[in-house]
Amino acid sequence: GAVVSQHPSWVICKSGTSVKIECRSLDFQATTMFWYRQFPKQSLMLMATSNEGSKATYEQGVEKDKFLINHASLTLSTLTVTSAHPEDSSFYICSARDRGVNTEAFFGQGTRLTVV
Amino acid sequence: DAKTTQPPSMDCAEGRAANLPCNHSTISGNEYVYWYRQIHSQGPQYIIHGLKNNETNEMASLIITEDRKSSTLILPHATLRDTAVYYCIVRVRNQGGKLIFGQGTELSVKP
Repeated sequence: GAVVSQHPSWVICKSGTSVKIECRSLDFQATTMFWYRQFPKQSLMLMATSNEGSKATYEQGVEKDKFLINHASLTLSTLTVTSAHPEDSSFYICSARDRGVNTEAFFGQGTRLTVV
Repeated sequence: DAKTTQPPSMDCAEGRAANLPCNHSTISGNEYVYWYRQIHSQGPQYIIHGLKNNETNEMASLIITEDRKSSTLILPHATLRDTAVYYCIVRVRNQGGKLIFGQGTELSVKP
């Protein structure tokens, strides 16, 4: 299957700082990428849909000014957690859908964010 | 997208078939059944999907009932590496749509 790569795999940051997470589709072009968050022992929760060249669409209850999403190219989307707080500590996962014939979504390996 | 119901957990002996059920009684005619799994601390992995016919690939088989209100994912010879949370999702295909995850089934394969 197609490969989606996230970077970094894990990050520790201080409260009040911002953290950027990258999501890349390595062998296909993705017009749409999705960002999820997952707390321990819980399922994935969709945060936003990222469309190349346009503004992201956020799910209800997700603060767009806190979770900045940029999808500047067909192979890269970034999620920036601004002014991070300990409650933002979570597992962040992106997925991408090939704009070609294959419409299955492929997921990155996830980024473990710890805010101290 | 239709909602799905799965048992929260199941056990399976190594080498035996694992049969994971999913109820989707409100599925509509153009919605597909997708299965993903998530091994601890990794991103979800696509397994298989189907509309109304049974499907098989190198990972698993998907059996969908005639009325499409339920389905079963079958791992024919479960190994310890199949221990994961398995998610059954129904959605319309080809709409660039998002995947909404339920709680899934935590499958434990035991030696």
